[in-house]
Amino acid sequence: AQSVTQLGSHVSVSEGALVLLRCNYSSSVPPYLFWYVQYPNQGLQLLLKYTTGATLVKGINGFEAEFKKSETSFHLTKPSAHMSDAAEYFCAVSERANAGKSTFGDGTTLTVKP
Amino acid sequence: DTAVSQTPKYLVTQMGNDKSIKCEQNLGHDTMYWYKQDSKKFLKIMFSYNNKELIINETVPNRFSPKSPDKAHLNLHINSLELGDSAVYFCASSHGPRSNTGELFFGEGSRLTVL
Repeated sequence: AQSVTQLGSHVSVSEGALVLLRCNYSSSVPPYLFWYVQYPNQGLQLLLKYTTGATLVKGINGFEAEFKKSETSFHLTKPSAHMSDAAEYFCAVSERANAGKSTFGDGTTLTVKP
Repeated sequence: DTAVSQTPKYLVTQMGNDKSIKCEQNLGHDTMYWYKQDSKKFLKIMFSYNNKELIINETVPNRFSPKSPDKAHLNLHINSLELGDSAVYFCASSHGPRSNTGELFFGEGSRLTVL
């Protein structure tokens, strides 16, 4: 069984400030971890993913995330927020044996203030 | 050239009606999915097909029936629509179940409103 908890359903930052979106997961087997972004009235698109190897993964639009097994976390960060980063962000986990069946967190709405 | 395309994008209908949503992917993927996103943006898997074979069938009312005529197409038919069926339905695709990537490619969604 697998599950994802995203801490904070709404996060608000000022333009230029650090973005930190928190994700903790639970999985009985080594996980694959993902962050997706959803802009208004659009589908989800992949920001970044961790499967194996380096625990710090870089994604599109300047985002990165670090897999910390000891903390069962996969937090998403970006050093400097841009207005265009305002969107809904979803963390997801899947089991390597069934990579396509992802369980999604409840999402975090990121607001960027000018 | 859209990778995962769904039609229609918007659907407004009366309770009790039957409706269908169609999905096509041109990524050459083996696996396709239907996800439901409710008004709180919670995203939940409904069905998955791998090469036309149903492999995931979550707890979904029998009124929902997926069909996959080939691995590039996955349709969703809903009978006797209820108010609670109002949601955005996303089609997605990925490589096979045991791929080493696991990422999903989503369509833009079909917003269903039941009146």
